[in-house]
Amino acid sequence: AQTVTQSQPEMSVQEAETVTLSCTYDTSESDYYLFWYKQPPSRQMILVIRQEAYKQQNATENRFSVNFQKAAKSFSLKISDSQLGDAAMYFCAYSPNTGNQFYFGTGTSLTVIP
Amino acid sequence: EPEVTQTPSHQVTQMGQEVILRCVPISNHLYFYWYRQILGQKVEFLVSFYNNEISEKSEIFDDQFSVERPDGSNFTLKIRSTKLEDSAMYFCASNRGPRGYTFGSGTRLTVV
Repeated sequence: AQTVTQSQPEMSVQEAETVTLSCTYDTSESDYYLFWYKQPPSRQMILVIRQEAYKQQNATENRFSVNFQKAAKSFSLKISDSQLGDAAMYFCAYSPNTGNQFYFGTGTSLTVIP
Repeated sequence: EPEVTQTPSHQVTQMGQEVILRCVPISNHLYFYWYRQILGQKVEFLVSFYNNEISEKSEIFDDQFSVERPDGSNFTLKIRSTKLEDSAMYFCASNRGPRGYTFGSGTRLTVV
């Protein structure tokens, strides 16, 4: 069974500093996709970054980057130069290549301290 | 940038009533989904829809729920005989092929 675990229910970071959010997952598949979604107070789900499992290179989107460790089944999100607008709930998600369903973690609530 | 549109943004209904949540997916997308998020909990898969039929559904998606694509643009989730525990945020999503959903902004359903 596919499961996604986010072990940090809450995190905080000083504005302009860097923070890393952790995610681990369990799967027997070799080909799959991993995502980080941001959910601000408006509760809309916003795609932050995506990683294909077959790619060794870590995905990067501006201030957001991931550390994808396939053997360890770890997929952490690094936010550099944190901004007040980064404050939100962050969900890690997994999707197997053989289906379209997403499996979400329980989320990490990020607070940015001015 | 294309969006997935959901209406209404907030729906209040009495227990036992039927509700229909509406979604307009992105026009060239082929796969459509409904997810649910009970307040404070994780986002849960309900159902996926492709080629005018359900392709996957979760245990949550029982006979109380149904989906329909009535006119080629709208994608609806019907919840019959609503219960208090159906109160949640319901998200519609769509994609064209492998990976990268676009989520709608959600419908907050409150059952009283």
